[in-house]
Amino acid sequence: GDSVTQMEGPVTLSEEAFLTINCTYTATGYPSLFWYVQYPGEGLQLLLKATKADDKGSNKGFEATYRKETTSFHLEKGSVQVSDSAVYFCALILKGAQKLVFGQGTRLTINP
Amino acid sequence: DSGVTQTPKHLITATGQRVTLRCSPRSGDLSVYWYQQSLDQGLQFLIQYYNGEERAKGNILERFSAQQFPDLHSELNLSSLELGDSALYFCASSASGTGLGYTFGSGTRLTVV
Repeated sequence: GDSVTQMEGPVTLSEEAFLTINCTYTATGYPSLFWYVQYPGEGLQLLLKATKADDKGSNKGFEATYRKETTSFHLEKGSVQVSDSAVYFCALILKGAQKLVFGQGTRLTINP
Repeated sequence: DSGVTQTPKHLITATGQRVTLRCSPRSGDLSVYWYQQSLDQGLQFLIQYYNGEERAKGNILERFSAQQFPDLHSELNLSSLELGDSALYFCASSASGTGLGYTFGSGTRLTVV
């Protein structure tokens, strides 16, 4: 079945460090890909998305590129801040489908 | 504020009991989705309603049921509760029925004791 695999956490970085959170997927069709962020005590917020191969999603300094050849959608940020501390979820949805398929989430902690 | 309202925010109840979780979708959104977030299972899709009708079903237990009312709010009913039902239950809404453009609520944390 369709699935998303994220790098295991937790990930701890110092402020201004470079961030990569790996995400790979398995899908029967051509999915749209998403990164969601969950801050403590809150719901999931859409961070960025890409709907077709080679698309780059970006928001708040975060970027991810839809790589069909490697079935990946890695999240990157050049310089993280303490306020980026949260749980990050990679997700996919097949065209015409209703449900999002989520990865297991990666907890990110940024130390000052 | 995402525009999706879930009540209550926290719920503590005993095993065997029944609870109802409520979700009001973002204004104009016709689709409502329910997800369960637990430590061991991660985020699991439960069920979707579109304009009052069930559209898709996921890993929803028979003890659980949901409905969407004419005003488009939705309720998730959980009965014969077990300790393992303790989780965060999220509602999301979207304008279309295709799943793109989800907006999540802040969730209801259910604790079964």
